[in-house]
Amino acid sequence: DAGVTQSPTHLIKTRGQQVTLRCSPKSGHDTVSWYQQALGQGPQFIFQYYEEEERQRGNFPDRFSGHQFPNYSSELNVNALLLGDSALYLCASRGPASGSTDTQYFGPGTRLTVL
Amino acid sequence: KNQVEQSPQSLIILEGKNCTLQCNYTVSPFSNLRWYKQDTGRGPVSLTIMTFSENTKSNGRYTATLDADTKQSSLHITASQLSDSASYICVVTEVFSGGYQKVTFGTGTKLQVIP
Repeated sequence: DAGVTQSPTHLIKTRGQQVTLRCSPKSGHDTVSWYQQALGQGPQFIFQYYEEEERQRGNFPDRFSGHQFPNYSSELNVNALLLGDSALYLCASRGPASGSTDTQYFGPGTRLTVL
Repeated sequence: KNQVEQSPQSLIILEGKNCTLQCNYTVSPFSNLRWYKQDTGRGPVSLTIMTFSENTKSNGRYTATLDADTKQSSLHITASQLSDSASYICVVTEVFSGGYQKVTFGTGTKLQVIP
C-alpha cells in the first residue's frame, strides 16, 4: 500500500500563473482533504472532496478550486498565483466513516514557491 | 484565538532526556484528539489518537494523555532520540451527522533534540 501520494514534490511558479497539484488517496479511502501549510504554521483547511463533490470548504478564495475523480484521486487548482500562496500543500485521505477514531493519513506534500 | 493552543512553541532537549508537550483546547465535545509528528517539509504522521472518553494512549516512547475536565492533552516523549526532532501537532476533530468533520489544528511545538 503506497499510502497517500502527491505530485509534484516541488514546484516553482511566478505570480499570476496557474498551478495544478495532484493527490492519490490511500487504498480504500474515498474522502480527500487539502490543506495549506505556510512555513512555521499549522495546516489550514482548504476543502474536502467526497463522491466527486466539494463537501466542505475553509476560508480560501475562489482562486482555489478542486476536483475529485471517480477513482477518488483529486486535484487542487490555484489561479492567479500570489506570493502568499507559497506553502506546503498537503493532501489527506480517510476511509468511509468507521467511527470516532478514523484517521486521516497525510501525503508528503507539494512545496509550492511563487516568485 | 485558535481553538487549539500548544505550548511551548519550541523546545530544545538533550538526547536521552524526557519531555512533555502541552495542548489546550476549547473545542468540546469532540470525536477524537490526535497527536501528529511532522518532519520539516514532510506530511504529518499520526502518533496517537484518543476519543473523548479515553485518558491515555501509548505508542512506543510516545504517551498521550487527555483530561476532558481541564480540556488539556499532553504528549510525553521518553528517552528522546535525535530523530524525534520535528514539529508535534495536536489536532481535534468534531464529527457531525452525515460524516462531516471539522478538523482544528494546533499551533504546533517545534522540538529539537541535540546530542
